[in-house]
Amino acid sequence: AQTVTQSQPEMSVQEAETVTLSCTYDTSESDYYLFWYKQPPSRQMILVIRQEAYKQQNATENRFSVNFQKAAKSFSLKISDSQLGDAAMYFCAYRSAGSGTYKYIFGTGTRLKVLA
Amino acid sequence: GAGVSQSPSNKVTEKGKDVELRCDPISGHTALYWYRQSLGQGLEFLIYFQGNSAPDKSGLPSDRFSAERTGGSVSTLTIQRTQQEDSAVYLCASSWGAGAEQPQHFGDGTRLSIL
Repeated sequence: AQTVTQSQPEMSVQEAETVTLSCTYDTSESDYYLFWYKQPPSRQMILVIRQEAYKQQNATENRFSVNFQKAAKSFSLKISDSQLGDAAMYFCAYRSAGSGTYKYIFGTGTRLKVLA
Repeated sequence: GAGVSQSPSNKVTEKGKDVELRCDPISGHTALYWYRQSLGQGLEFLIYFQGNSAPDKSGLPSDRFSAERTGGSVSTLTIQRTQQEDSAVYLCASSWGAGAEQPQHFGDGTRLSIL
């Protein structure tokens, strides 16, 4: 069975600085998707970025980028130029790419605090 | 357009009572998920609906939990004889289809508190 581990329960970053959130996963599959979701205090989960395992190029969305290391089964999220609005819980998630599969497996989350 | 709508936003009830949580997905979305988020935990998959196919109920924690989706749209999650360990935020998400390339859109969740 697949597992997702986020070993940092909480992180802090100074406004305008860069922070990296860690995520590792375990799977025997070769084709899958990885995601980072943001959950602000409003509770609504928002997709931040998605990575397809067969793509070697790391995904980037504006100030958010990932470092995807397939062999190491590592998928970290880098937030550049941190803003107060980035403060939230961040969840890493895995989903198999196989047909007929649809379950997402989530990590336990990292709470990010942004200091003014 | 309207996003995923969940009601009620908050629900407080006494142990042993039944509760019903509602999810209105985005119009046209065929896939619908229910998750449970306990304090300090990630999202735990509960149930998945896709179009007219039989739902995947493999994540439901006990037979006190059930869910239905009427007309391929609105879904209700019912918890019978609630227990204190049922206290959590229940999140609903929908997507255009079952593929991972279709992003999940989440509602704001229902915070359920069992006294």
